[in-house]
Amino acid sequence: NAGVTQTPKFQVLKTGQSMTLQCAQDMNHEYMSWYRQDPGMGLRLIHYSVGAGITDQGEVPNGYNVSRSTTEDFPLRLLSAAPSQTSVYFCASSYSIQGEPYFGPGTRLTVL
Amino acid sequence: AQSVTQLGSHVSVSEGALVLLRCNYSSSVPPYLFWYVQYPNQGLQLLLKYTTGATLVKGINGFEAEFKKSETSFHLTKPSAHMSDAAEYFCAVISYSSASKIIFGSGTRLSIRP
Repeated sequence: NAGVTQTPKFQVLKTGQSMTLQCAQDMNHEYMSWYRQDPGMGLRLIHYSVGAGITDQGEVPNGYNVSRSTTEDFPLRLLSAAPSQTSVYFCASSYSIQGEPYFGPGTRLTVL
Repeated sequence: AQSVTQLGSHVSVSEGALVLLRCNYSSSVPPYLFWYVQYPNQGLQLLLKYTTGATLVKGINGFEAEFKKSETSFHLTKPSAHMSDAAEYFCAVISYSSASKIIFGSGTRLSIRP
């Protein structure tokens, strides 16, 4: 199993640009989530999904959209990038909302 | 509401010394508790977890943690530090309810002195 994969590994955007961070898992996990990691702040939940077609907001959802059309994929869209969105983004999946998350390798995003 | 507090954003120990990383949680219902490790430029990897049963939990790489309900703590220990243990460590909690989501502490960076 590849586990949780994320692309790209690195991305530089200009303010106002949009892009999609890709996340896929091959463990047939129902629960998927997106976090951002900033120095001294741990991981903060952006959006999550409890199954295909079902998404909900986390702690810091503003400026981000998600959709879940399949069990495997959970892309994160930045609608209009801002410097405050410079961060490392992690996708995670688990067999249930109470299961331990399995994390992808992360995407390091810089917004200029 | 549940929360996690990790005492000390940075801990430095000598190689061969005891490693102790502190984690306290708050939860109104029985928690599930986790420790993750993050090596530089990598994702988070599960070290160990407590759900139910034995309160002393052993994980990978010689780490262990003890769930102490009376102290609401889940401290991570390793008897003898190795240079390869240098990383960031995160404590996390889920409460045993269907509406709960995992909450992470702010992390502790562990440095190992030769």
